[in-house]
Amino acid sequence: AQSVSQHNHHVILSEAASLELGCNYSYGGTVNLFWYVQYPGQHLQLLLKYFSGDPLVKGIKGFEAEFIKSKFSFNLRKPSVQWSDTAEYFCAVTPNMGRRALTFGSGTRLQVQP
Amino acid sequence: GAVVSQHPSRVICKSGTSVKIECRSLDFQATTMFWYRQFPKKSLMLMATSNEGSKATYEQGVEKDKFLINHASLTLSTLTVTSAHPEDSSFYICSAVPGVLSSYEQYFGPGTRLTVT
Repeated sequence: AQSVSQHNHHVILSEAASLELGCNYSYGGTVNLFWYVQYPGQHLQLLLKYFSGDPLVKGIKGFEAEFIKSKFSFNLRKPSVQWSDTAEYFCAVTPNMGRRALTFGSGTRLQVQP
Repeated sequence: GAVVSQHPSRVICKSGTSVKIECRSLDFQATTMFWYRQFPKKSLMLMATSNEGSKATYEQGVEKDKFLINHASLTLSTLTVTSAHPEDSSFYICSAVPGVLSSYEQYFGPGTRLTVT
């Protein structure tokens, strides 16, 4: 079975600071990787996804993530955060075979101070 | 984009009663839907996989007689929490996968907050 680790549980940044959230997964085969965001009181929204191809993927709202296969990592980055980025961020993985449920990391709460 | 709805968004029920939560894919057909549970300040945990026209597949530790899942059509799956207890209070979230074979993307509903008193 696969597992996902998010190392940062709570991150506090000032506006305009750069962001990098770590995500590592454990699985023996090919995977699809996702980052979701959950704003306060709202439902999960997809930020970006990686299925294959260019390991650097760009998502919505200026976010990007890089898949490093050798490190089993899929870290999320944003060069300059805004107060509106305050939210919970979840990394998730699913095996690249059939329709499988997502395995989520524990989440990282990002708090951006104005 | 694909939209998934859940109803109700919030429900409060008394201990011992049953509650039904609906998950609908509004603009696409979903042969597979998933039910997750999210505890406060925790991640989402998969409860079961719901396949249209067949029995749901439950994760280890999830009581299938307590959490009844019915996927009666390609756009609707229901989760019924039977004989609810306060420890069942949680945030329940469904997701739906479009019927296209090559699709791995899931679309999430807004969630249902269940409080059992």
